[in-house]
Amino acid sequence: GAGVSQSPSNKVTEKGKDVELRCDPISGHTALYWYRQSLGQGLEFLIYFQGNSAPDKSGLPSDRFSAERTGGSVSTLTIQRTQQEDSAVYLCASVTPGTQYFGPGTRLLVL
Amino acid sequence: QKEVEQNSGPLSVPEGAIASLNCTYSDRGSQSFFWYRQYSGKSPELIMFIYSNGDKEDGRFTAQLNKASQYVSLLIRDSQPSDSATYLCAVKGSGGTSYGKLTFGQGTILTVHP
Repeated sequence: GAGVSQSPSNKVTEKGKDVELRCDPISGHTALYWYRQSLGQGLEFLIYFQGNSAPDKSGLPSDRFSAERTGGSVSTLTIQRTQQEDSAVYLCASVTPGTQYFGPGTRLLVL
Repeated sequence: QKEVEQNSGPLSVPEGAIASLNCTYSDRGSQSFFWYRQYSGKSPELIMFIYSNGDKEDGRFTAQLNKASQYVSLLIRDSQPSDSATYLCAVKGSGGTSYGKLTFGQGTILTVHP
């Protein structure tokens, strides 16, 4: 069956522009996470969606970052007024109890 | 103190040896523990999860959990060069705002040399 997909796979943008990153999770999975990973670093938690509960946004680094999950499925992470330090791989994970799958990630480069 | 701590390594073992990867966590109420493998330039992939104290074996991999010591480990028997990767420990929060959230350690780089 289909796994987790993310788009775009790569994104190059100019400082100050807005970007939208998309995650299509596995159908039926109840939870979804966004992480980012800078070169050679560990995974930094950004936001967590669980069913219909309010999302845990505690990891979002600034108010330039926001995310939504429509219909309990597709999620979009938006970064406004991008900065060079936003350059990283943004990973989405689709989760059901005991089973978790990461998408291939979006590599964001802010020039 | 970091919520989930791992020795960043690198850990280097000869082919055929046992590789031992360790992880400690601070949330005493945590219930679920996960090990991921991440090859360079790739996304993490789930290797094992463990919920109960003791050992859980899956092929060449054994996860060990000691909740009293807040310690979880991953043993890789008969290590192969293809096991060379970064191994990430993740812990699921127990309650309050941490409930359900996975917190990752920084990862341990493992190199298996022929």
